[in-house]
Amino acid sequence: DAGVIQSPRHEVTEMGQEVTLRCKPISGHNSLFWYRQTMMRGLELLIYFNNNVPIDDSGMPEDRFSAKMPNASFSTLKIQPSEPRDSAVYFCASSLGQGLGEQYFGPGTRLTVT
Amino acid sequence: AQKITQTQPGMFVQEKEAVTLDCTYDTSDPSYGLFWYKQPSSGEMIFLIYQGSYDQQNATEGRYSLNFQKARKSANLVISASQLGDSAMYFCAMRGTQGGKLIFGQGTELSVKP
Repeated sequence: DAGVIQSPRHEVTEMGQEVTLRCKPISGHNSLFWYRQTMMRGLELLIYFNNNVPIDDSGMPEDRFSAKMPNASFSTLKIQPSEPRDSAVYFCASSLGQGLGEQYFGPGTRLTVT
Repeated sequence: AQKITQTQPGMFVQEKEAVTLDCTYDTSDPSYGLFWYKQPSSGEMIFLIYQGSYDQQNATEGRYSLNFQKARKSANLVISASQLGDSAMYFCAMRGTQGGKLIFGQGTELSVKP
């Protein structure tokens, strides 16, 4: 079975541009998570969905960030406009249910905003 | 509030020896899960092992075992017979019943010496 799929793997963009990150969770998983990893802050949750519904978006930095999950097999994280401080690795993860089971991570998208 | 603490920024171990990576946690949730992830230099997050707070026995997965001491709120990872490929960052994480998100520690960088 395919794992979590993310695209693009690398993105370099200029400040002010819109950036869209994409994620396909593992088939059958009904929870999807977006994390961001930086040297300063480590790994932190941005938002997570359960059954396509956003449950916790308290980690979304500001209005420039938005996330959608139009169906069970696809989610996007959009940054508009992007800023240099958004440079990070963005991970998508999925899991079964909202319980205590493990989350499986995608390979990440390394975003660089110049 | 939930918190994960990894007090060892870096560790060295000789190939074929065992190593313990420390993790302590703090939570008021009666039920929770503890996880370890490996992040090699290539950047992906690899799930290693999971321990439920009500599990009676310590979790084991191949060369990985989790030394779970609930009263001390510790969940140390033990890697037996270290291999060169074990060199990576290791993250301890926790998920409680209040939400699906994982709370991560700052990580421990393990270097295996030949």
